Amino acid sequence: QSALTQPRSVSGSPGQSVTISCIGAGSDFGTSPYVSWYQQHPGKAPKLIIYDVSKRPSGVPDRFSGSKSGNTASLTISGLQAEDEADYSCCSYAGSYSYVVFGGGTKLTVL
Amino acid sequence: QVQLQESGPGLIKPSETLSLTCAVSGGSISGLYWAWIRQPPGRGLEWIGYIHSSGSTLYNPSLKSRVIISSDTSKGQFSLKLKSVTAADTAVYYCATGGAPTRNPSWGQGTLVTVSS
Repeated sequence: QSALTQPRSVSGSPGQSVTISCIGAGSDFGTSPYVSWYQQHPGKAPKLIIYDVSKRPSGVPDRFSGSKSGNTASLTISGLQAEDEADYSCCSYAGSYSYVVFGGGTKLTVL
Repeated sequence: QVQLQESGPGLIKPSETLSLTCAVSGGSISGLYWAWIRQPPGRGLEWIGYIHSSGSTLYNPSLKSRVIISSDTSKGQFSLKLKSVTAADTAVYYCATGGAPTRNPSWGQGTLVTVSS
């Protein structure tokens, strides 16, 4: 069982916004600045889309945004597009884990 | 941005040692974390461990007793060894790198390793 819990699936229509949650077990997650999000299309390597809770690597559209409140990190995708259909995984490092941990992944379906 | 390429056997037998290498090109390896991450078929990502350019390592506690990650800067590569494999170790293995343990903007394409007799 992952120390980071994500919903198995979410869905939304083109143009809408969706939010994917990532709930951490342990108080250290709430204070950890190290939360990342990865997007993964079938058969492809993961792609970093958010790091340090809310920062975007260059080239990632600003439709993707990250935030954290308490023990819950969130990825919001606004203006959904068909190409956003993919698996999304959160990732964190905190002292209580003493290692890097991934969430179980969330499948986003664009209706 | 650095480019990464995994290589190694695609099929190994139970109880053997899985050995993979990640070749690095197109950038410096200083000041970076070099990680191995795997993904069993149909499942989520699992972090295996990293080696920092300083030589320090950190492993997933669930795999720590079986894993060694090493680097050879002269060859521009880093490696993974996983001992005593079982079918549960069947997965796509990725190498990745970045400026922080959770920040990996560069990934290899992944290599499927199947453990079967």
